[in-house]
Amino acid sequence: TQLLEQSPQFLSIQEGENLTVYCNSSSVFSSLQWYRQEPGEGPVLLVTVVTGGEVKKLKRLTFQFGDARKDSSLHITAAQPGDTGLYLCAGYKTDSWGKLQFGAGTQVVVTP
Amino acid sequence: SQTIHQWPATLVQPVGSPLSLECTVEGTSNPNLYWYRQAAGRGLQLLFYSVGIGQISSEVPQNLSASRPQDRQFILSSKKLLLSDSGFYLCAWSVIGYEQYFGPGTRLTVT
Repeated sequence: TQLLEQSPQFLSIQEGENLTVYCNSSSVFSSLQWYRQEPGEGPVLLVTVVTGGEVKKLKRLTFQFGDARKDSSLHITAAQPGDTGLYLCAGYKTDSWGKLQFGAGTQVVVTP
Repeated sequence: SQTIHQWPATLVQPVGSPLSLECTVEGTSNPNLYWYRQAAGRGLQLLFYSVGIGQISSEVPQNLSASRPQDRQFILSSKKLLLSDSGFYLCAWSVIGYEQYFGPGTRLTVT
């Protein structure tokens, strides 16, 4: 059973368009991370959100943690081909002995 | 700064052969270490994690085992590979449990 549900599974857009990826759960997490992974490489940590309602911006990427700390979203403004990749969310609970729960990922393709 | 290495980068092995994948971390002490497997274009499945030398926890019963002979070394092994062991294997480390940093991965193909 996937504790974290990501949607959509696949997203293909043109350069310059906006996109939003969602990460939802029925569980409460202490923190939530977003990673981006390119083909044949390991995931790279983009951001960690900790506080309910928190919003973090990383250039054209905006991350939000839900008020109840059960969900998160990633919004990309004016997407570029370099944004192409697999976006993974991962949730952490303090009683999990350092383990993360990963979503299944959203594959984003941005075409020129 | 911290770095994490995995080798080999790619591996093609016949069914029934042994396996040894190695992961080493530099620039940090007493990290938590993790082995994951990833199906093509999908999420990560946690296989093993370790909070210290000789301390290994298994998440999924399977054909694989892990060992941590040194503080910053994590090894994934198998005595006899199965076709279903094919995949992309990732090693990760963390000091703060919720921020994990991944190695470049090993692509394993069992033929």
